Amino acid sequence: EAGVAQSPRYKIIEKRQSVAFWCNPISGHATLYWYQQILGQGPKLLIQFQNNGVVDDSQLPKDRFSAERLKGVDSTLKIQPAKLEDSAVYLCASSSPGQITDTQYFGPGTRLTVL
Amino acid sequence: EDQVTQSPEALRLQEGESSSLNCSYTVSGLRGLFWYRQDPGKGPEFLFTLYSAGEEKEKERLKATLTKKESFLHITAPKPEDSATYLCAVPGPNSGGSNYKLTFGKGTLLTVNP
Repeated sequence: EAGVAQSPRYKIIEKRQSVAFWCNPISGHATLYWYQQILGQGPKLLIQFQNNGVVDDSQLPKDRFSAERLKGVDSTLKIQPAKLEDSAVYLCASSSPGQITDTQYFGPGTRLTVL
Repeated sequence: EDQVTQSPEALRLQEGESSSLNCSYTVSGLRGLFWYRQDPGKGPEFLFTLYSAGEEKEKERLKATLTKKESFLHITAPKPEDSATYLCAVPGPNSGGSNYKLTFGKGTLLTVNP
């Protein structure tokens, strides 16, 4: 079974530029998550989708971050404009909504450096 | 608000030297506790889920246990390949979906020297 795919793996941009990340979840997983992991910290949820609807985006900085999940499969996360403090690893995870505590499976992440 | 605290922040062991990592949590109602392993440059890899106090799970040299206030990850006779960051997480709170988000601790960086 293929895991969660993410691209690109690395991205370096200047502050105030825009950037987009892509995620393809495990086949059949209806729930998709984007987490931000700052160096030395645990992952922090940015947004959670169930199918193509947003379940939780309470910690998403909506003035600069946006995300969509068209057709309930893959998803994109965009930052515009980027700030220095956005330097982090962006992790995508997916789970199957069989039980509320179903295991989340993570992709390899995209490491973003904002200069 | 759910909180997860892991200790120590870093642990250095010699190969074969057993030890334990701690994860303490404050939640409104325990819905389970997850342990993940994260290697440098990779995403977290699922290890265990524990659901109730007294539960234990094992995988190779790792054993996870759960009490009402904390969880321990015991590492028996570790090898250099066990070197990684170990993260624990609790589900919730729920925002209306079928699955809960995870609230993570900061992790314990384990280094096992040969």
